[in-house]
Amino acid sequence: SQTIHQWPATLVQPVGSPLSLECTVEGTSNPNLYWYRQAAGRGLQLLFYSVGIGQISSEVPQNLSASRPQDRQFILSSKKLLLSDSGFYLCGLGGGSRGGYTFGSGTRLTVV
Amino acid sequence: RKEVEQDPGPFNVPEGATVAFNCTYSNSASQSFFWYRQDCRKEPKLLMSVYSSGNEDGRFTAQLNRASQYISLLIRDSKLSDSATYLCAVSRGGGSYIPTFGRGTSLIVHP
Repeated sequence: SQTIHQWPATLVQPVGSPLSLECTVEGTSNPNLYWYRQAAGRGLQLLFYSVGIGQISSEVPQNLSASRPQDRQFILSSKKLLLSDSGFYLCGLGGGSRGGYTFGSGTRLTVV
Repeated sequence: RKEVEQDPGPFNVPEGATVAFNCTYSNSASQSFFWYRQDCRKEPKLLMSVYSSGNEDGRFTAQLNRASQYISLLIRDSKLSDSATYLCAVSRGGGSYIPTFGRGTSLIVHP
């Protein structure tokens, strides 16, 4: 079965510091992977998605970036965090016409 | 009009009640529809897909109304454990199955 791992669970970072969140999946190959952010009281916002190694589509221009160095690894990064980057970051797996997403357990990021 | 809209609630219902949520969408080309459940401070989990003919899973029934562009979720015989936020997700259409999520409807089931 497909599983998705995401870490860390909680992160408190100062403004201007870098960020690296990692997501790895098991039990599938060539998955579609997604990064979403859920700000407090708001809906899920798609940040990036990837259909394969090295293939990244950006949805929202911002100071975040994503990379897919391996088939089952998806990384979200920032060189300098802003206060507005605070939120609940979720890695999603799958999708397609019939399947919904499976989400990782998420990282709750607070930028201070 | 927002792409996907939901009444944020909260819907406060007693155990055993029947409750229904709607979710409206603006893109008539959308082809895939889903309901997710999100517990407090947890990730959303897929509850059920929504098919054109409607579908049922135990106490949960999902329906699609293409003419009026909304989907619905009906929960019968509510349990305390049904308390959560329910998110709808609607694909963008135009060949893309990437969903747009609603902000969610909060359900509180009380004794």
